[in-house]
Amino acid sequence: QKEVEQDPGPLSVPEGAIVSLNCTYSNSAFQYFMWYRQYSRKGPELLMYTYSSGNKEDGRFTAQVDKSSKYISLFIRDSQPSDSATYLCAMGRGGNTPLVFGKGTRLSVIA
Amino acid sequence: EAGVVQSPRYKIIEKKQPVAFWCNPISGHNTLYWYLQNLGQGPELLIRYENEEAVDDSQLPKDRFSAERLKGVDSTLKIQPAELGDSAVYLCASSLDKGEQFFGPGTRLTVL
Repeated sequence: QKEVEQDPGPLSVPEGAIVSLNCTYSNSAFQYFMWYRQYSRKGPELLMYTYSSGNKEDGRFTAQVDKSSKYISLFIRDSQPSDSATYLCAMGRGGNTPLVFGKGTRLSVIA
Repeated sequence: EAGVVQSPRYKIIEKKQPVAFWCNPISGHNTLYWYLQNLGQGPELLIRYENEEAVDDSQLPKDRFSAERLKGVDSTLKIQPAELGDSAVYLCASSLDKGEQFFGPGTRLTVL
């Protein structure tokens, strides 16, 4: 079992839909949880950064962490074609320790 | 503020040839990472530097890969000799203290 599991999709939704992306993990030592967006042939771009459990909202994006279930989610409201990308979850034990990434979920938002 | 800079963006070489990648982190970031990303996969750590010191290089194939970070700023990752299986995207990232890692655009390597 990999430390971080993420459904690779692809996921296709109509413009304006609410998108739900999620990851599960097995290592209870993870304290920091991130979501990155990666466009084709670009580097990962940090979207959301959360420490421990709870919710964090930034514009149309909401990140949720449930440490008791070892489950994290990213919600995108009013999805736009420009949101079409691969979304990578990542988590770390703390400080500057290396991140462990999921495989990424490929999202397409259709106009 | 300038982001993480990497060069070259693309590199095509014949197998058994050497290749080098360069990374300049965000100014002031003391931690630098090299990650490897295969197609359809998330990045995986190759090596992590705290200032000039390599503190985590257990995933670096040391028979053919080497890295350095002179003066604790920019870094070079080298492969010699390259193999077909080395074709991938090589990502550099940097961070300060809180662990938020910022990535460069990557170098896409193709080994023929």
